[in-house]
Amino acid sequence: DGGITQSPKYLFRKEGQNVTLSCEQNLNHDAMYWYRQDPGQGLRLIYYSQIVNDFQKGDIAEGYSVSREKKESFPLTVTSAQKNPTAFYLCASNKQGRTYNSPLHFGNGTRLTVT
Amino acid sequence: KQEVTQIPAALSVPEGENLVLNCSFTDSAIYNLQWFRQDPGKGLTSLLLIQSSQREQTSGRLNASLDKSSGRSTLYIAASQPGDSATYLCAVMRRGSTLGRLYFGRGTQLTVWP
Repeated sequence: DGGITQSPKYLFRKEGQNVTLSCEQNLNHDAMYWYRQDPGQGLRLIYYSQIVNDFQKGDIAEGYSVSREKKESFPLTVTSAQKNPTAFYLCASNKQGRTYNSPLHFGNGTRLTVT
Repeated sequence: KQEVTQIPAALSVPEGENLVLNCSFTDSAIYNLQWFRQDPGKGLTSLLLIQSSQREQTSGRLNASLDKSSGRSTLYIAASQPGDSATYLCAVMRRGSTLGRLYFGRGTQLTVWP
C-alpha cells in the first residue's frame, strides 16, 4: 500500500543536540511538507518542497533545516537553535497540478521530546 | 492573512445522534476546503475535499458543505458511532499561494459515547 512513513515514532534528545526526523513517501507525490502540532493549536507549516532540490520556508522555519535530494524523501533536522522543539511533527505530501485540488496525505507523526 | 476557526472546540454526544461541526474562514479567496480526522497520537486522515466551485461533498455518513461567500463550512455526521470519536480539523487552501499550502483550524474534539 502507498503511504507516508515517518520514523521514529518517539524521539528523546538532550537540549543542545541536533536531531533528524525521517519522512519517506511512495505515493509518487511531487510536493512534501513539514508541519508542527502543539496542544490546542492548529498545525503550523515549517518547510515545504515542490520538487527535488528545491524547498521553501513556511511560517516557523527558524531553528529547522530540510533537504530534498530524492522525490521520495524529505528529512527535517531540528537544530539546537530551535527554542522550543518539543512537539508533534507531521510530514505530508500531495500531487501538484494546475487545479490545486489534490488532498493532503499525512504520515503518523514523530513525537519529539527535548529535555 | 487567512484565519480558520472551528466551533465548538469539544463536543460529547450519545451514539446515534446526528451532529454538525462548524468551520469559518476569513478570506473567501480559496481553491478548496478540506476536512480531516485525527485519532490520538496519529496523523491526519483526509475525509472530504470541497473545491471552491462546489457546494457540498458526501462520503458515506459524512456530508460537508461550503458557503464561500460567507466563509463557512459545516461537516454533518449522520447516526454517530463511538468509532467516530476523534478530532476533526478543517483547512483551506488560499488562492495566491505559490504552492497549495493549507491553513488549519484548531479542531473539534468529538466524543461519541455508547
